[in-house]
Amino acid sequence: KQEVTQIPAALSVPEGENLVLNCSFTDSAIYNLQWFRQDPGKGLTSLLLIQSSQREQTSGRLNASLDKSSGRSTLYIAASQPGDSATYLCAALTGANSKLTFGKGITLSVRP
Amino acid sequence: GAGVSQTPSNKVTEKGKYVELRCDPISGHTALYWYRQSLGQGPEFLIYFQGTGAADDSGLPNDRFFAVRPEGSVSTLKIQRTERGDSAVYLCASSLDPGTSTDTQYFGPGTRLTVL
Repeated sequence: KQEVTQIPAALSVPEGENLVLNCSFTDSAIYNLQWFRQDPGKGLTSLLLIQSSQREQTSGRLNASLDKSSGRSTLYIAASQPGDSATYLCAALTGANSKLTFGKGITLSVRP
Repeated sequence: GAGVSQTPSNKVTEKGKYVELRCDPISGHTALYWYRQSLGQGPEFLIYFQGTGAADDSGLPNDRFFAVRPEGSVSTLKIQRTERGDSAVYLCASSLDPGTSTDTQYFGPGTRLTVL
């Protein structure tokens, strides 16, 4: 059974800081690894998807890496802004039924 | 449509009542998923539809929960004899390429269910 862990549960940083959010998973037989953003009371917005054959993906100030052998992914946010404040969830896609297994998320607060 | 939509956005009911939650997926997406998110937790898988059939319902917690997708588009999640522990945000997602490395699930805004 796939288990996804995100530590710490919360993070507070000053504006402008570069930061790394960590995600670990137990079953390396994944199709892909996805990072989502969730604002309070809202649904999930897909940020980046890394296919199992890929090592990283980039979108603007975001960069996500994947190391299947060690069961880890990281989301790098460059030059953080107050608008980046949200909960960031990683999810591993496994199985022919494309079931997503989520971590509990990291709640990020970027202080002005 | 432009995205996945869910109705109602909020539902308050009393313990023991029956509720229905609706999901309209992105047009053309054959795969539809229901997840449940409790406070402070990540979403948990409930059920996956491929077309009209439930391909995997292993996440449904018990037989009070049932979901249908009769025409392969709109889906309804039905909860009988609601309990306070059913209170959560119910999220729906749809995708185009299930079971592939490029599969991206697009999520709706969710229905917040509160059972008093």
